[in-house]
Amino acid sequence: AQSVAQPEDQVNVAEGNPLTVKCTYSVSGNPYLFWYVQYPNRGLQFLLKYITGDNLVKGSYGFEAEFNKSQTSFHLKKPSALVSDSALYFCAVRAPVGGGSQGNLIFGKGTKLSVKP
Amino acid sequence: KAGVTQTPRYLIKTRGQQVTLSCSPISGHRSVSWYQQTPGQGLQFLFEYFSETQRNKGNFPGRFSGRQFSNSRSEMNVSTLELGDSALYLCASSFGAGGSYEQYFGPGTRLTVT
Repeated sequence: AQSVAQPEDQVNVAEGNPLTVKCTYSVSGNPYLFWYVQYPNRGLQFLLKYITGDNLVKGSYGFEAEFNKSQTSFHLKKPSALVSDSALYFCAVRAPVGGGSQGNLIFGKGTKLSVKP
Repeated sequence: KAGVTQTPRYLIKTRGQQVTLSCSPISGHRSVSWYQQTPGQGLQFLFEYFSETQRNKGNFPGRFSGRQFSNSRSEMNVSTLELGDSALYLCASSFGAGGSYEQYFGPGTRLTVT
């Protein structure tokens, strides 16, 4: 069965410092990986995705994510955090259809990012 | 383009009642998915529709049902409401179904069951 783990419930970072939000996954086959952000009382906003090719994916608002197949990880990064980046971040994975997968999107539990001035 | 819209935004219902939530996808998007978000369980997949056909279904009881219309708009129905159905219900649309298509989410409908 496919699954996604976000090992940290909360990440605290000072403004201007680099940030990393961790995500590991377990799927059969080549995964499609996504990051979403949720601000309070809002729906999720798409940040970036990995399909194939270059392991470093760039997305919205200066975020990027690194796909590591051997470690089955897809960590979200940003070189310099802003206070406005404070939100809930979700990693999601979709396995190809077949082999027990229906191809739907599976979300991690979310990581709360807090950026202090 | 206008984003995904969901109506109503807030809803208060009593146990045993039924409720219908509505979702209008981004213009041109033919896939609509529904999720339930709660503090304890996080985001859980309910079902996905593509071109009026249910393509996938999550592990929810039969009280939860949905449909999609020819204009891609979707509705979700929950019958015989239980206290545990209190949640934020999110609708997401995408151009295609599954694969590498990213989903775009609406603001959600906050359902409170008393």
